[in-house]
Amino acid sequence: DTEVTQTPKHLVMGMTNKKSLKCEQHMGHRAMYWYKQKAKKPPELMFVYSYEKLSINESVPSRFSPECPNSSLLNLHLHALQPEDSALYLCASSLGHLGGEQFFGPGTRLTVL
Amino acid sequence: GENVEQHPSTLSVQEGDSAVIKCTYSDSASNYFPWYKQELGKGPQLIIDIRSNVGEKKDQRIAVTLNKTAKHFSLHITETQPEDSAVYFCAAETGGFKTIFGAGTRLFVKA
Repeated sequence: DTEVTQTPKHLVMGMTNKKSLKCEQHMGHRAMYWYKQKAKKPPELMFVYSYEKLSINESVPSRFSPECPNSSLLNLHLHALQPEDSALYLCASSLGHLGGEQFFGPGTRLTVL
Repeated sequence: GENVEQHPSTLSVQEGDSAVIKCTYSDSASNYFPWYKQELGKGPQLIIDIRSNVGEKKDQRIAVTLNKTAKHFSLHITETQPEDSAVYFCAAETGGFKTIFGAGTRLFVKA
């Protein structure tokens, strides 16, 4: 299985809602990433987990809260988001030694009303 | 921090022609340079990569060259096909999982 899956595919939420994005991989990768991608822009790194520990937090607002329950799962908890947070949220994974090739999921298209 | 510049932003070629996309990076500590292809509605997918101890790498119609002195690397696609139409991102990684992407090149291959 060489796939990264993300759920849901689409999410519409109000600014007072709480929701979660989920990501799963079964390739035995030990590094997992969250990226934010706005239209016609490159992916921007948000968080990196390495061996289930938060390794990088790119000064992301606290309304985004990552969680890595185990080596196969990665969650992104969302609370009190702003309309400017609307974007494609991509999850990726890599072997975990020193970075290298990242395998991306299809993303969750988030709209904040 | 690392900065990656990518040119051109848009590239239109005739089917069968070659396409070249160029990137420069700023951090001399960068040691891994992947190229990703992103099709509409999908996540980026690695198409080729190169490490700093190698000058050139080829995989069928795709090749990447790296000039460490100039901090410059390029993607070459030969015999382009309509299915090559997509957005291409170069990237640089300094190690420690942090990957910085270029702004992207939208490639159109006209049949």
